[in-house]
Amino acid sequence: DIQMTQSPSSLSASVGDRVTITCRASQSISSYLNWYQQKPGKAPKLLIYAASSLQSGVPSRFSGSGSGTDFTLTISSLQPEDFATYYCQQSYSTPRPTFGQGTRLEIK
Amino acid sequence: EVQLVESGGGLVQPGGSLRLSCAASGFTVSSNYMSWVRQAPGKGLEWVSVIYSGGSTYYADSVKGRFTISRDNSKNTLYLQMNSLRAEDTAVYYCARDVYGGPGLDWFDPWGQGTLVTVSS
Repeated sequence: DIQMTQSPSSLSASVGDRVTITCRASQSISSYLNWYQQKPGKAPKLLIYAASSLQSGVPSRFSGSGSGTDFTLTISSLQPEDFATYYCQQSYSTPRPTFGQGTRLEIK
Repeated sequence: EVQLVESGGGLVQPGGSLRLSCAASGFTVSSNYMSWVRQAPGKGLEWVSVIYSGGSTYYADSVKGRFTISRDNSKNTLYLQMNSLRAEDTAVYYCARDVYGGPGLDWFDPWGQGTLVTVSS
């Protein structure tokens, strides 16, 4: 199985901050990496697919980059509604994808 | 509007069975890949199963032989039959459309609101 490791596991930041979350794969997954946002008690929401493609309707302050084993999700200027948990997910090993353990983004 | 609505969760004893349903609107289930993903309380996301548009099915090792994914094209609904349930199957179960973007490239969008399955005596 391909293991996905996110860092940090939790992060405190302020409104307006630039935030970067990292996701590392245990082997190369090309650009087959997606990012989701999950708020408490809600379903996950797709933010970024194929490492860097912004899902329709997602604010442009979200961006993704990377290929191979190392990927990043960047929020350029944190807004109050961005405080949530973020997950990466690889589809390289489809039909059996795996997720990272999540990064909880909290208000400082 | 593309939407998924799950139902069927509840409390079940270890060794028992439960069938989850996921009703789709705004798109055709049988023309898409459809997955179940679960989340144990306070934990991360775990993929459970997928059914392809052609009918092929795949399962996580943790549920293989106990869970069965299926669909009813006339009802535009996805199902997950869960047998021999264990305490470790306790989770919120989400259905999601598995969007195919090319070989090895797919993502989950949208997701249903989830249904809670609790396995306990």
